[in-house]
Amino acid sequence: EAGVAQSPRYKIIEKRQSVAFWCNPISGHATLYWYQQILGQGPKLLIQFQNNGVVDDSQLPKDRFSAERLKGVDSTLKIQPAKLEDSAVYLCASTLEDRVYEQYFGPGTRLTVT
Amino acid sequence: GQSLEQPSEVTAVEGAIVQINCTYQTSGFYGLSWYQQHDGGAPTFLSYNALDGLEETGRFSSFLSRSKGYSYLLLKELQMKDSASYFCAVRGSGAGSYQLTFGKGTKLSVIP
Repeated sequence: EAGVAQSPRYKIIEKRQSVAFWCNPISGHATLYWYQQILGQGPKLLIQFQNNGVVDDSQLPKDRFSAERLKGVDSTLKIQPAKLEDSAVYLCASTLEDRVYEQYFGPGTRLTVT
Repeated sequence: GQSLEQPSEVTAVEGAIVQINCTYQTSGFYGLSWYQQHDGGAPTFLSYNALDGLEETGRFSSFLSRSKGYSYLLLKELQMKDSASYFCAVRGSGAGSYQLTFGKGTKLSVIP
């Protein structure tokens, strides 16, 4: 079974530029999460999708972050404009609807904002 | 809201047993998961406790006390490859039952 795919793996941008991350979850997983993980901390939930609908985006900084999952499969997370404090690893995870406790994570995208 | 506390670092000797603790305070609670993350890697699921007691999976065991808001992860017969960060994550109730809130993690260093 293929795992969660993410790209790119690394990205370096200057502040005020924009960036987009892509995630393809495990086939059949209806629930998809985007997390931000700052060095030395645990993953922090940004947004949760169930199929192509948003379940919770209460922690997403909506003035600069946006995310979509148009066909209920792959998803993109965008930051525009980026700030220095956005430097982090952005993790995508997916799971079956009834197994929220067992999430499968992708390798993440390491973003550096200079 | 939810808050979780874990020690930031733990060091243990290869072949020994180590316990990583997690205390939590939540407004609602369904269960608690443990994840392992190697440096530069993705978090991977280790265990889940919804009821009080001990769950064992190979060399790893996880314990939960709902009344005390306390869990621990026990690693036996430590190996060098167990050096990683370990996160507890709480599954809340209501709308929070569809999400996990992660602690800050405990960095385990296994020494020869």
